[in-house]
Amino acid sequence: GENVEQHPSTLSVQEGDSAVIKCTYSDSASNYFPWYKQELGKRPQLIIDIRSNVGEKKDQRIAVTLNKTAKHFSLHITETQPEDSAVYFCAASPAAGNKLTFGGGTRVLVKP
Amino acid sequence: DAGVIQSPRHEVTEMGQEVTLRCKPISGHNSLFWYRQTMMRGLELLIYFNNNVPIDDSGMPEDRFSAKMPNASFSTLKIQPSEPRDSAVYFCASSFSGGRYEQYFGPGTRLTVT
Repeated sequence: GENVEQHPSTLSVQEGDSAVIKCTYSDSASNYFPWYKQELGKRPQLIIDIRSNVGEKKDQRIAVTLNKTAKHFSLHITETQPEDSAVYFCAASPAAGNKLTFGGGTRVLVKP
Repeated sequence: DAGVIQSPRHEVTEMGQEVTLRCKPISGHNSLFWYRQTMMRGLELLIYFNNNVPIDDSGMPEDRFSAKMPNASFSTLKIQPSEPRDSAVYFCASSFSGGRYEQYFGPGTRLTVT
């Protein structure tokens, strides 16, 4: 089955700096890669996703890049703000069906 | 849209008791997922349904766990008998599998088994 590795497990940045989280996956059949943000005590919320026919997608301060050859994808947050502090999860889904396999999560702390 | 609805939001029970968690997916969604989240194991998929039919239950930890989806708007996850190691947050999520993959999570049920 699919295996998703996520790094780093924790990330501390100064407000205004950029944050980058990287994930690798094992199943070459995966073609959908969402990112979720989970604040303390809350549900995971979808913040951005990318499909395998696209190499990069951007939404305001967040962007995701995908390298299918290398089987890795990354989340980039620019101009970080304290409200970006949360746990971020990457995930991958196979071409058939929409079962998601999640990475282990990255705890991001933005220091004011 | 009310989003995915789960009940109860919190459940405290004693070891050996039966626990039933409930989920109502977003109207129009035809895929439903049950996840468990713990500090040690992260977010794990337990089982998922497509058009009310269980597709993959390989994540169900053992026979004490069972899940049903009697219709498109309701699903249950049952643990019988419960054990302290079942303590976790259980999330239900739903999506529409007709070409779109986005999964939306419910607020979760925090289960504590003493």
